[in-house]
Amino acid sequence: GDSVTQMEGPVTLSEEAFLTINCTYTATGYPSLFWYVQYPGEGLQLLLKATKADDKGSNKGFEATYRKETTSFHLEKGSVQVSDSAVYFCAAIYNQGGKLIFGQGTELSVKP
Amino acid sequence: GAGVSQSPRYKVAKRGQDVALRCDPISGHVSLFWYQQALGQGPEFLTYFQNEAQLDKSGLPSDRFFAERPEGSVSTLKIQRTQQEDSAVYLCASSLEGGLPLHFGNGTRLTVT
Repeated sequence: GDSVTQMEGPVTLSEEAFLTINCTYTATGYPSLFWYVQYPGEGLQLLLKATKADDKGSNKGFEATYRKETTSFHLEKGSVQVSDSAVYFCAAIYNQGGKLIFGQGTELSVKP
Repeated sequence: GAGVSQSPRYKVAKRGQDVALRCDPISGHVSLFWYQQALGQGPEFLTYFQNEAQLDKSGLPSDRFFAERPEGSVSTLKIQRTQQEDSAVYLCASSLEGGLPLHFGNGTRLTVT
């Protein structure tokens, strides 16, 4: 079945380091792709999205590019902050109006 | 309301008890989803409503799980005869007409002892 796989955590970085969290999806059709973030004690929030190949989603300094050839949607940020510490989830929707399929989440911890 | 509201925020149940978890979606949102998130895992789809119609319940893990949305607004997820493996955070999300974005509530953390 359809699935999303992301790199395992936890990821620990120093402030201002470069961040990459890998995400790949099963190539069944052309899903819309998302990154969600869950800050401690809070609900899931949409961080960014891309709906077709080569689209780049961006928000709050985070970016991810929809790569059809590698079935990937890696999350990147050039300079992380302590406030970016959270759990990040990659997700996909394969049908319009359908259910979101989530990866297992990657915990990011940024140290000052 | 301002967002998706779930209650209770925390629930402790003894094994074998029945529980009911409530979700108040954003006013006017047609689509409503329930997800189960086990510790250290991503959310797993349970069921989906469009208005009062339950269009997909393929993710419900057993017949002990039952969801309803009788008036197309508030939804209740009921778990009968709870088991320890039911311990998880139960997330509710809503959206306009099945579209995006999905707005998530803060979840109900269920602990079965």
